Amino acid sequence: DGGITQSPKYLFRKEGQNVTLSCEQNLNHDAMYWYRQDPGQGLRLIYYSQIVNDFQKGDIAEGYSVSREKKESFPLTVTSAQKNPTAFYLCAIGTSGAFNEQFFGPGTRLTVL
Amino acid sequence: KQEVTQIPAALSVPEGENLVLNCSFTDSAIYNLQWFRQDPGKGLTSLLLIQSSQREQTSGRLNASLDKSSGRSTLYIAASQPGDSATYLCAVNAGNMLTFGGGTRLMVKP
Repeated sequence: DGGITQSPKYLFRKEGQNVTLSCEQNLNHDAMYWYRQDPGQGLRLIYYSQIVNDFQKGDIAEGYSVSREKKESFPLTVTSAQKNPTAFYLCAIGTSGAFNEQFFGPGTRLTVL
Repeated sequence: KQEVTQIPAALSVPEGENLVLNCSFTDSAIYNLQWFRQDPGKGLTSLLLIQSSQREQTSGRLNASLDKSSGRSTLYIAASQPGDSATYLCAVNAGNMLTFGGGTRLMVKP
């Protein structure tokens, strides 16, 4: 928080729809990350980006897509191919390089109806 | 593949107690380890970051230690308060990505 914004806070989706979650930062950090959190569990990495116009798959990228056209923005699209999308989605930022420290946004709770 | 385990999964203590949360990881080749706090329905707040070359870090009533060779970290909370009630997560960084434990849900009773 304090420079990392995620919107919306709550999102409802019908089955078969694509939805896009927003993550914006004004802290000038190079690296941005998307994580998924299921109830009572830790976080799992979906995608990350260390530089504009480049991104890498994490552990659970299937059914998700991202773009990094601007340093400040890293939107996540949850596609209809994602079989179980109901979860809490967290965006993080960090300094580039191996020793980076990550800071998290407030999250978006996605529910599929 | 790195695996991170946190024990216990849940802990309930009376106010004022000192307590220790445990985090273990399977691959000692890490760059750093972070401890986070998460309140229900909220994002993660970074508490402490320990670089691989360090043994411990302190912030107020919190002290985190790291024993990289044995794959262990502990978070010590002194004089616990009801406001400390939250889920505590540890995460290890083995190069640009964090691997998280499942968290310890802490309840401090007045």
